[in-house]
Amino acid sequence: DAGVTQSPTHLIKTRGQQVTLRCSPKSGHDTVSWYQQALGQGPQFIFQYYEEEERQRGNFPDRFSGHQFPNYSSELNVNALLLGDSALYLCASSLREGASAFYGYTFGSGTRLTVV
Amino acid sequence: GQSLEQPSEVTAVEGAIVQINCTYQTSGFYGLSWYQQHDGGAPTFLSYNALDGLEETGRFSSFLSRSDSYGYLLLQELQMKDSASYFCAVGTGGFKTIFGAGTRLFVKA
Repeated sequence: DAGVTQSPTHLIKTRGQQVTLRCSPKSGHDTVSWYQQALGQGPQFIFQYYEEEERQRGNFPDRFSGHQFPNYSSELNVNALLLGDSALYLCASSLREGASAFYGYTFGSGTRLTVV
Repeated sequence: GQSLEQPSEVTAVEGAIVQINCTYQTSGFYGLSWYQQHDGGAPTFLSYNALDGLEETGRFSSFLSRSDSYGYLLLQELQMKDSASYFCAVGTGGFKTIFGAGTRLFVKA
């Protein structure tokens, strides 16, 4: 049973460019949350997708956008990249039903984004 | 605002017991969970408390006091492989889970 798959694993972009990160959730999960993790910090909530809609959003600018597809996979897009966007971007999948919506997240290994 | 506070670092000896505390202030509370993350790895789920009391899973136990907005993770019989970062996380309103900054645990021989 595959867990959460993220691609690419590493990425180097130039300031001002745009980037798309991809996530395939764990089999059976229907909800995808995206987190940004700076070095030595905890994951910061970006947004959550369920039924192809953004359901919740953290304190991130509109440069961060996303999408969820009918097969539950998801993309994170970041426009006009800044140096401060350099971080590990984690995708976490979960099942919306019941209390498991709040725990038991399965995380991918992340995409390490470096903006130069 | 919403915040989770946990110590930045804890050091313990192999075979010992260590407790990592977490206090939280959030709008809405739907349980406290704990995750482990090794360097370069993905966070992995350890435990979850929705109600007050102690939950035990092998060498790991987690405690919650909702009235004190406080919880802790207890690791027993520490092993070198337990050296990692540990995050507490709270399920808040709107199906959003927020994480603390993490506690880095160093296990010494």
